[in-house]
Amino acid sequence: GAVVSQHPSWVICKSGTSVKIECRSLDFQATTMFWYRQFPKQSLMLMATSNEGSKATYEQGVEKDKFLINHASLTLSTLTVTSAHPEDSSFYICSARWDSPYSNQPQHFGDGTRLSIL
Amino acid sequence: AQTVTQSQPEMSVQEAETVTLSCTYDTSESDYYLFWYKQPPSRQMILVIRQEAYKQQNATENRFSVNFQKAAKSFSLKISDSQLGDAAMYFCAYRKTIYSNTGNQFYFGTGTSLTVIP
Repeated sequence: GAVVSQHPSWVICKSGTSVKIECRSLDFQATTMFWYRQFPKQSLMLMATSNEGSKATYEQGVEKDKFLINHASLTLSTLTVTSAHPEDSSFYICSARWDSPYSNQPQHFGDGTRLSIL
Repeated sequence: AQTVTQSQPEMSVQEAETVTLSCTYDTSESDYYLFWYKQPPSRQMILVIRQEAYKQQNATENRFSVNFQKAAKSFSLKISDSQLGDAAMYFCAYRKTIYSNTGNQFYFGTGTSLTVIP
C-alpha cells in the first residue's frame, strides 16, 4: 500500500536553530500534503495544507514565517521550523494524498517527527 | 464549522472483552467520511476503520465495527475480543468530500486513551 516517509523521526537541537522536516510519498504522487502538530496527550491540529507548486495555506494562528512549508515536487514536502524555541517542541505529523477528480482518495500519514528544542 | 467530540478521555477494558468508544460530530454537509485512527505509543497514525456517510451499512474490519447513526451524528467504535495490542489512543475524525469548498482536511476529536487490562 501507499507509504509516507517522514524524516527525521526525532530531532533535538538548540534554541535559535532552524530545523527541516521532510515528508515523502514513496509510491504515489501527493498532490496535497498536510502538516499537523500534536502536543502531548492532545489531538492533531492542522497547521497548513500544501499543494504541489503553490504556496501553502496556513490555518489561523499558525505563523507562516515561523513554519516554512515547501511542496516543490509531487513526492516531497518540507516543513522548516525557523529560529526554533522550546515552545516549538512538539510532535509534527505529515500526511499526503493524491487528489483524483473522480473519487476521494485516502490520506496517508507519516510516522511523525518528535522535535525537542533545548 | 465541523467539530468532532470524544467525550471519553480514558477507557479501559479487560482483555478479550468488548469496549465501545463514543464519538459525535457536527456538520451541515450531507456527504462526508468518518474515520477511527489508532495512535500507539510509537505515535504512528494507523487507520482502523472508515465509514462513508452515504452508506447506511455500518463498516466492519475484523474485530472493529462502528455504529453509525447519521441522524444523531454519532459514530462509535466497538472493539470486540480486545487484545493487549489494542491499547492506544483512538481518534475519531471527520473529513469532507473532495468537492467541498473549504478544504479537505481532517477534523480530529480529542482522543480516547484505551487501556487493555490483562
